[in-house]
Amino acid sequence: GQQLNQSPQSMFIQEGEDVSMNCTSSSIFNTWLWYKQDPGEGPVLLIALYKAGELTSNGRLTAQFGITRKDSFLNISASIPSDVGIYFCAGQDSGNTPLVFGKGTRLSVIA
Amino acid sequence: GAVVSQHPSWVICKSGTSVKIECRSLDFQATTMFWYRQFPKQSLMLMATSNEGSKATYEQGVEKDKFLINHASLTLSTLTVTSAHPEDSSFYICSAQAGYLYEQYFGPGTRLTVT
Repeated sequence: GQQLNQSPQSMFIQEGEDVSMNCTSSSIFNTWLWYKQDPGEGPVLLIALYKAGELTSNGRLTAQFGITRKDSFLNISASIPSDVGIYFCAGQDSGNTPLVFGKGTRLSVIA
Repeated sequence: GAVVSQHPSWVICKSGTSVKIECRSLDFQATTMFWYRQFPKQSLMLMATSNEGSKATYEQGVEKDKFLINHASLTLSTLTVTSAHPEDSSFYICSAQAGYLYEQYFGPGTRLTVT
C-alpha cells in the first residue's frame, strides 16, 4: 500500500528558530495536506496543496507540493511555544478517498 | 466554518458492553466520513470509510461486526464498538469531507477506556 515517510520524527528547537519537515512518498498524490495535533485533540488542518509545484503560506507556515507529486515540505518560521505539537503530512489521491498519513513530527520548542 | 464535533469526548465502559460514538459535521454536509483510531505516540490508522446512505468500507483487519458504522444522514455518522474489550481502548477520531472539497476536517476525538 501507499506509505509516506515523514522526517524528522522529532525536533527540539529554540524559540525563534525556523523549522523544516518533509514527507516523501513512493507513489503520486494529487493533494498534500499538513495537519497539527495537540495532545488529546483531533488534527487541525494547517495547509492544503492541490497543484504540483504549489507554494502556499499560512502566517508563519509555508508548505510546498513537490513537482514530482511525491513529496512535500512544511516550514515554520520564528517558532513560538504554541507551535509545540505533532505535525502530520497526509496525501490524498482524489475526491473523497482516504488520507494516507505520515508518522508525524513531534516538535518541542524551548523558550 | 468546517467544524466537526464528536460525542462523547471520553468514555469509560466495562468489558463486554457496547459504546456508541457520534460524529457530526456542524456547518457543512459531509457525503463522506472517515473513522480512525490512534494509539499513543502513533499516527492515525484508518478504520473505515463511510458514505451517506451506503454501507461502510472497512480497512483490512478491522472487524465490521465489532465496529458498526452508520452514516444515516449528511451530518451524522456513528461508530459503535460492540462487546468492548480492554484492547479496544484507544483514541477514536472521525473526519468529514464534503463532496466538492478536498479537505478533510477532523473531530476532536473520543478517548475510550474499557475496564
